Amino acid sequence: GESVGLHLPTLSVQEGDNSIINCAYSNSASDYFIWYKQESGKGPQFIIDIRSNMDKRQGQRVTVLLNKTVKHLSLQIAATQPGDSAVYFCADLTGANSKLTFGKGITLSVRP
Amino acid sequence: DVKVTQSSRYLVKRTGEKVFLECVQDMDHENMFWYRQDPGLGLRLIYFSYDVKMKEKGDIPEGYSVSREKKERFSLILESASTNQTSMYLCASSPSGTGELFFGEGSRLTVL
Repeated sequence: GESVGLHLPTLSVQEGDNSIINCAYSNSASDYFIWYKQESGKGPQFIIDIRSNMDKRQGQRVTVLLNKTVKHLSLQIAATQPGDSAVYFCADLTGANSKLTFGKGITLSVRP
Repeated sequence: DVKVTQSSRYLVKRTGEKVFLECVQDMDHENMFWYRQDPGLGLRLIYFSYDVKMKEKGDIPEGYSVSREKKERFSLILESASTNQTSMYLCASSPSGTGELFFGEGSRLTVL
């Protein structure tokens, strides 16, 4: 079946380094992608989104890259901080049904 | 700020009991969603609603029902709770035409 998935379940980075979280999606009709961050004991929070007519979008310390050719999405976090420790989810949406499909999540752990 | 409030953070119920999980949002969003979150499985959509009295099945609706009598309130109902429904339940809302979901803090249900 079609799904949105993450390559690795966990990622450990040194404080101050850049983090890259990768995501593969299989639905070629997906036209909108979102990254969410979920801190322990809280619900997921929106980080950044990108539409399929773009290949890069930047926010504050975060950048999302979209490669439609290989159906790959990545989230880059610059100068990773302890507060970035969380579970990160990618999600995709197709215009047809307007409901998000979430990946399984990857845990980012920041070492002091 | 958008606020999505789930009525209970923690519930413990017995097999066969009827369970109500309530969700209220205060931003006049058209869309509301119920997800369950389980380790290794990510977020899975149970039901969603685009308008009052409207409901649509998500990916795993079996064993659940929903009610949306008012725009701001979306209830998830377990008619006869079973142990495999032990999970974290997340409610979310979004404005019409966007995929950006605003999540509540979650309700952790344990069925004994």
